[in-house]
Parts: sequence; C-alpha cells; structure tokens
Amino acid sequence: DTEVTQTPKHLVMGMTNKKSLKCEQHMGHRAMYWYKQKAKKPPELMFVYSYEKLSINESVPSRFSPECPNSSLLNLHLHALQPEDSALYLCASSPTRTNYGYTFGSGTRLTVV
Amino acid sequence: GENVEQHPSTLSVQEGDSAVIKCTYSDSASNYFPWYKQELGKRPQLIIDIRSNVGEKKDQRIAVTLNKTAKHFSLHITETQPEDSAVYFCAASIWAGKSTFGDGTTLTVKP
Repeated sequence: DTEVTQTPKHLVMGMTNKKSLKCEQHMGHRAMYWYKQKAKKPPELMFVYSYEKLSINESVPSRFSPECPNSSLLNLHLHALQPEDSALYLCASSPTRTNYGYTFGSGTRLTVV
Repeated sequence: GENVEQHPSTLSVQEGDSAVIKCTYSDSASNYFPWYKQELGKRPQLIIDIRSNVGEKKDQRIAVTLNKTAKHFSLHITETQPEDSAVYFCAASIWAGKSTFGDGTTLTVKP
C-alpha cells in the first residue's frame, strides 16, 4: 500500500458544528502532516507529527485540533470554524521528518457555511 | 524563516519543447529540495528531489539542478507532452519535516 487515504472527500459544515477529518497510511511512515491549501495557492503547513508526537504547530487557531492515535492514523478535529477556513485540507506522510518528500492524500474539500 | 520564490508563475510551451522553472531560497541551511506536480483537482505528487550534497539529478525527461552558492534550483522538463500540464511547486526544507513551498508555476503544454 503506497497511498495516504483521507476521509471524507467533501465536507460542508456550519460554523457551530463539530466534525473530524481522518487520514490513514500503511507505509510505515513515522512523520505525518496536515496542510491547508486555498485555490491557486501552495500548501501551507499546519501541524507536524513525528513518532506520534506533535512536533510543530504553525500557530494554528485552536478551533483546529490534531490527534495522532497511532502510527497509521491522523485526525483533525474541527470546531466553530469560520467561512475563511474553507479550503482543501491535505494530509501527508514521509518515512521520517528527515529530508524525505511527502506522499499526499487526495484531501478533504471543506466548505464552512 | 525560509522564503522560496518561484518563477515564472505561468508557462506555456509547445508540445516537444523544453520547460524550465526556477526557484530561489533564502536560508543557506536548507538542504532538501523537492518538486511536486499538482494536476487540477488532484493531490500534489512528488516528481523529483535533490539534496544539498548533489548538484544535479535526472529522471527520464525531468532533471533538477541546484546551485548552493547562488541559492537557487531549477526544474527542467524536456520533450514536453500535454499530460505534463499541471501546477508545479518547488519547496525547500530548512530542517527535517518542514517544507516551505514556492507559489507554483502553471505549465500549459499545447498540442
């Protein structure tokens, strides 16, 4: 298995809702990432997990809460989002943090209404 | 922090021609430089990468060159095909795990 799987593919949520994005990989990668991508823009780093521990939080608002239950799974819990949070949320993994390219998932297209 | 500039923002070439995309980075500590291709509505995919101890790397029609002194690196695509049409992102890794992306180049290959 050489893929990163993200669910759901599309999500529409109200500003008072709570939802979660899920990411899964079975490549044995020990680094996992959350990126946010707006239309016609590059991916922006949100969080980095290394060996299931949060190692980077790029000053992301607390309405985004990451979780890494085990080495294969990465979640992003969403609460009280704003319309400007609408974007493509990409999960990625790499063998370790050390200078390896990412394998990206297909992303979750999030719309906040 | 690291800053990556990418040029041009759009590039249109005729099928069979070569395409070159250039990036510059700011921090001399960066030591890993991947390139990603993102087709419309799809995920970014790693197409080639280069580490700071290497000056050039080639994979079939794609090559990347790195000039550490000038702090710039380039992607070269030869014999372009319509399926090469996509957005290409360069990135620089200043330390393990954190890649800073360029703004992207939209490449259009006309048949």
